[in-house]
Amino acid sequence: GAGVSQTPSNKVTEKGKYVELRCDPISGHTALYWYRQSLGQGPEFLIYFQGTGAADDSGLPNDRFFAVRPEGSVSTLKIQRTERGDSAVYLCASSLIAGRTYNEQFFGPGTRLTVL
Amino acid sequence: DQQVKQNSPSLSVQEGRISILNCDYTNSMFDYFLWYKKYPAEGPTFLISISSIKDKNEDGRFTVFLNKSAKHLSLHIVPSQPGDSAVYFCAASEVSNDYKLSFGAGTTVTVRA
Repeated sequence: GAGVSQTPSNKVTEKGKYVELRCDPISGHTALYWYRQSLGQGPEFLIYFQGTGAADDSGLPNDRFFAVRPEGSVSTLKIQRTERGDSAVYLCASSLIAGRTYNEQFFGPGTRLTVL
Repeated sequence: DQQVKQNSPSLSVQEGRISILNCDYTNSMFDYFLWYKKYPAEGPTFLISISSIKDKNEDGRFTVFLNKSAKHLSLHIVPSQPGDSAVYFCAASEVSNDYKLSFGAGTTVTVRA
């Protein structure tokens, strides 16, 4: 079956612009996660959705970052007034459920965002 | 602050030999540990995990060892194969928010023929 897909694969934008990054999780997966991987670092947690609601957004760096998942499937990460420091690979992952059953998180290939 | 540390950014090993990847953590609340493998232009894929109630978990050529007192874990790959060449990430989670994975910076493994 299809894995997690992310679009676009690459996004180049100018400082101050608005960008949207899309994630299509594996069908039937109720939990969805966004991570950010900066150069030379491991993925860093941003936000977790259980269904349509953001259950934990404690990893979002500031209020320029926002994510939605209106129908409990596709999610969009939105970044306003982009800054050069936002340049990174944004990874999306999904799992069947979240919780102590340690459901495996399946990752997409990521969107490489470059802010000039 | 990095709570999961992989201090070796790279490792080169001969095909057929053992690869040993190390990972240290500082958060004593971590109780579940995972290793992910990542090829270029792909997302990380789950490799193997271990709960804090165990000190060893084995799956085929991959074995993870956990030393809770030292807050240290390691991944052993034996024998190493060319297809094992990838970036390996150590990750951990707490019981209170077990969906949130904290990752190390990764170790790039190159298996030489």
